[in-house]
Amino acid sequence: EAGVTQFPSHSVIEKGQTVTLRCDPISGHDNLYWYRRVMGKEIKFLLHFVKESKQDESGMPNNRFLAERTGGTYSTLKVQPAELEDSGVYFCASSRRTDFSGNTIYFGEGSWLTVV
Amino acid sequence: EDKVVQSPLSLVVHEGDTVTLNCSYEVTNFRSLLWYKQEKKAPTFLFMLTSSGIEKKSGRLSSILDKKELSSILNITATQTGDSAIYLCAVVGRAGAGNMLTFGGGTRLMVKP
Repeated sequence: EAGVTQFPSHSVIEKGQTVTLRCDPISGHDNLYWYRRVMGKEIKFLLHFVKESKQDESGMPNNRFLAERTGGTYSTLKVQPAELEDSGVYFCASSRRTDFSGNTIYFGEGSWLTVV
Repeated sequence: EDKVVQSPLSLVVHEGDTVTLNCSYEVTNFRSLLWYKQEKKAPTFLFMLTSSGIEKKSGRLSSILDKKELSSILNITATQTGDSAIYLCAVVGRAGAGNMLTFGGGTRLMVKP
């Protein structure tokens, strides 16, 4: 079974530019989560999709961040325009159930974003 | 706001040492506490704890939850260089129609030969 895959693995962009991160969850997983870890801080929840619907987007930092999951398969997270404080690692995770137990959440390897 | 705090921030030990990592939390509607090991990139699952006082073991790793103290510890005995990683504690709390996972800042463990 293929795991959660994320693209790109690393990205370096200039302040003001746009970056789009992509996440392909495990096939059949309706639940898709985005998390991020900015330098020196803990991993923070951004949002949760159930299929194509946003279940909870309370963690999205501001309106420069836009997440989509058209068709309920892969998801994209766009940052536009990127700011220096957006640098960090963006993790995607998926699970079959919403009421997850620990071993049913699978994480991707993360997309490392550096804004210069 | 839910909060998870891990200590120490980092630890350097020698092979064969025993280490104890701490996690404390303040979470509404606590459901479970999870430990993950993050070596290079993707965090990998170690343990899920839901009941107080019941130790979970996997080889040289063990973990226990204390719901009264709102904390958990992760023990690693006879450490090996392969144990070097960031250990993440996360707590599942009920939020709205689903569950929310709140992470601590992690403990960076380095095991020297």
